[in-house]
Amino acid sequence: DAGVIQSPRHEVTEMGQEVTLRCKPISGHDYLFWYRQTMMRGLELLIYFNNNVPIDDSGMPEDRFSAKMPNASFSTLKIQPSEPRDSAVYFCASSFVQGELFFGEGSRLTVL
Amino acid sequence: SQQGEEDPQALSIQEGENATMNCSYKTSINNLQWYRQNSGRGLVHLILIRSNEREKHSGRLRVTLDTSKKSSSLLITASRAADTASYFCATFWTGNTGFQKLVFGTGTRLLVSP
Repeated sequence: DAGVIQSPRHEVTEMGQEVTLRCKPISGHDYLFWYRQTMMRGLELLIYFNNNVPIDDSGMPEDRFSAKMPNASFSTLKIQPSEPRDSAVYFCASSFVQGELFFGEGSRLTVL
Repeated sequence: SQQGEEDPQALSIQEGENATMNCSYKTSINNLQWYRQNSGRGLVHLILIRSNEREKHSGRLRVTLDTSKKSSSLLITASRAADTASYFCATFWTGNTGFQKLVFGTGTRLLVSP
């Protein structure tokens, strides 16, 4: 298996622009997680899905953030409009039941 | 941090030495996990220890769990330069929403010098 695949790996954008991050989980996994990592706040769970259904989005910082999982093999995290404080590395992870998480390589977002 | 704190924040050792990292958490757990993160990469799962286990081994890794003290330690024996990474503990935490979520500690940055 190719593992969890995230795109883009790097994104540089200007404040106010829309950003869409993409994730393909490992086939057969029923949980998908979006985390954000910054030096100041460490790893924060933004939202997670079970069988494509959002379960807990309490970590989504603001209405500017939204996440979807239209099918078992694809999820997006969208920021609109983006702000400089959104600069971070965004990780997608998947798991089978609530066990070991498999992480993607991350999407490094820089908002100027 | 919502749940876990690692100690020390940073650790610098020579190749061949042992490295010990500690994790403290706040609430009751079913299991505790350790992950490694190389610079610029995603996290990789190392080991899971259940609440009814006191010690677990995997290669050069040894994890202990003391539920009475709400703490765990990760020992890497005979360290190598390739062990240079950040190490995180993670536990499931039930927040205000009532849903369990895996939350990570603050991490220990390990530097192993040749």
